Amino acid sequence: SAVISQKPSRDICQRGTSLTIQCQVDSQVTMMFWYRQQPGQSLTLIATANQGSEATYESGFVIDKFPISRPNLTFSTLTVSNMSPEDSSIYLCSAGQGRNYGYTFGSGTRLTVV
Amino acid sequence: AQKVTQAQTEISVVEKEDVTLDCVYETRDTTYYLFWYKQPPSGELVFLIRRNSFDEQNEISGRYSWNFQKSTSSFNFTITASQVVDSAVYFCALSQYSGGGADGLTFGKGTHLIIQP
Repeated sequence: SAVISQKPSRDICQRGTSLTIQCQVDSQVTMMFWYRQQPGQSLTLIATANQGSEATYESGFVIDKFPISRPNLTFSTLTVSNMSPEDSSIYLCSAGQGRNYGYTFGSGTRLTVV
Repeated sequence: AQKVTQAQTEISVVEKEDVTLDCVYETRDTTYYLFWYKQPPSGELVFLIRRNSFDEQNEISGRYSWNFQKSTSSFNFTITASQVVDSAVYFCALSQYSGGGADGLTFGKGTHLIIQP
């Protein structure tokens, strides 16, 4: 199964600023996904990022707040824009396709907005 | 819309007891995947199992076993002879399979499993 390197692992940011999270996969994958896990909560899908097309956002998430890039089949970024304390969460990426689908998540980015 | 329900918010058992974590799902699709993940206190998500909707065979992996029943839309997870290292939050998740490939996962709220020594 694919191995995902996610960075940064954690960050403390000032409100009003933006943070870009990177995920690098060790093999080519068609689909990558971004999730948010608020403190003590479950994971919620933010968007699906397929190479060569714009990301598809779930209800409650918008591109202006969470712009996503997918420049190739092994890499994706998620930006959390104009941050507020309510954005403090763990953000995780996932990737995989076919028989490898669903196996692997990145180690997560623990974001604290102050 | 699809939904995953893990009714047990927290379970606490003494080490060596058997414990079953319940998962009930809702979907209108005939093709879908079901998953279980473990999230220890360190925070990473550890994949445990994936099952597609056409494979109703139960599975056993060491002390872990899974019971998939389409008739009741359930995918329950049993740990036999529990150990302290099993303490974690366990998530059940569901994914549809559309024509373009598998969709993102819908997670249940998770069950916090506490194994007391």
